[in-house]
Amino acid sequence: SQKIEQNSEALNIQEGKTATLTCNYTNYSPAYLQWYRQDPGRGPVFLLLIRENEKEKRKERLKVTFDTTLKQSLFHITASQPADSATYLCALEGQGAQKLVFGQGTRLTINP
Amino acid sequence: SAVISQKPSRDICQRGTSLTIQCQVDSQVTMMFWYRQQPGQSLTLIATANQGSEATYESGFVIDKFPISRPNLTFSTLTVSNMSPEDSSIYLCSVEGSGGAEVLVTDTQYFGPGTRLTVL
Repeated sequence: SQKIEQNSEALNIQEGKTATLTCNYTNYSPAYLQWYRQDPGRGPVFLLLIRENEKEKRKERLKVTFDTTLKQSLFHITASQPADSATYLCALEGQGAQKLVFGQGTRLTINP
Repeated sequence: SAVISQKPSRDICQRGTSLTIQCQVDSQVTMMFWYRQQPGQSLTLIATANQGSEATYESGFVIDKFPISRPNLTFSTLTVSNMSPEDSSIYLCSVEGSGGAEVLVTDTQYFGPGTRLTVL
């Protein structure tokens, strides 16, 4: 069956360190994978999209990798700050145009 | 990114009643989506709403329970009908990123703030 799994439900990181979140999937062949940030009481906010022919993408302190052989994406936040504390969701292309399927999210807390 | 608003932001409803949630976008978009996010869970797609055609529902969701309207390219409504406590959830609308608008990234989605529904 198809699955998207984000390996940690919750992750606590010391401020200044790099936070690494994992997203694994099975029985999908997505053309792209995306990462979103969700704060309590708000809708998800798009962060980064990486396509199947891209190995890595960066945006400021964020870096995403996409390994279609391992069926895995890693999401890194370098020089983490307490303001980075949020739930991070990975999402990939589902069946049908524009449909996204979301992982269950990882709740990241950056401790001062 | 697109500015998306939802009304109401939250509501508390009685079992057996219905609630209509509105989603307004500040630009014209072809595809709008409705999601449900149950407490502590991730997002589950309910249906895709295209202007001028019937909404397309995902497995486990039916039109009688979640009727959707899409009268134009900037507006959609989702009705949660004959509610039960199991319908307590956050309901979110989203719109596709469009390659035609320079600030929207193709293949992404932009979400509204959500409607928090509690059914007693």
